[in-house]
Amino acid sequence: GENVEQHPSTLSVQEGDSAVIKCTYSDSASNYFPWYKQELGKGPQLIIDIRSNVGEKKDQRIAVTLNKTAKHFSLHITETQPEDSAVYFCAASTGTASKLTFGTGTRLQVTL
Amino acid sequence: ETGVTQTPRHLVMGMTNKKSLKCEQHLGHNAMYWYKQSAKKPLELMFVYNFKEQTENNSVPSRFSPECPNSSHLFLHLHTLQPEDSALYLCASSHQGQGDGYTFGSGTRLTVV
Repeated sequence: GENVEQHPSTLSVQEGDSAVIKCTYSDSASNYFPWYKQELGKGPQLIIDIRSNVGEKKDQRIAVTLNKTAKHFSLHITETQPEDSAVYFCAASTGTASKLTFGTGTRLQVTL
Repeated sequence: ETGVTQTPRHLVMGMTNKKSLKCEQHLGHNAMYWYKQSAKKPLELMFVYNFKEQTENNSVPSRFSPECPNSSHLFLHLHTLQPEDSALYLCASSHQGQGDGYTFGSGTRLTVV
């Protein structure tokens, strides 16, 4: 089955700096890659996703890049703010099966 | 509010108690999921339901018993739990066949004493 690895497990950046979280996947058939943000006391919420037919997608301060050859994808957050502090999860799924395999999460801390 | 509602938000139960967690979605999704989230562990998929039928049971102990009476409601019945079952239990839903992401509820924080 699919295996998703996520790094780093913790990340601390200063406000205004950029943050990058990386994931690798094992199943070359995977074609959908969402990212979730989980704030304290809440469930994970979808913040951005990308499909295998594009290499990059951007939404304001967040962007996701996908390298199908290397089987890795990354989340980029620019101009970080304290409210970006949370746990971020990457995930991957294959075709229309919709079953997601999640990474282990990255705890992002944005310091003032 | 994400469209997936879980109750209760917090639950403390003894090892001999029987309780149930409830999940309801108003998104028109046809697949629902139970996940367990423990501290410093990845999200663990427990059960998957598609169109009310259970399609996956990830080797979950029988003290956890799911029920899906319709595509909008999902329950997790709990009995004779162990302290290591204390965790955040997350419900999610999706539209099976569209290859989209999940919508999660806020979870039930369960403590077994």
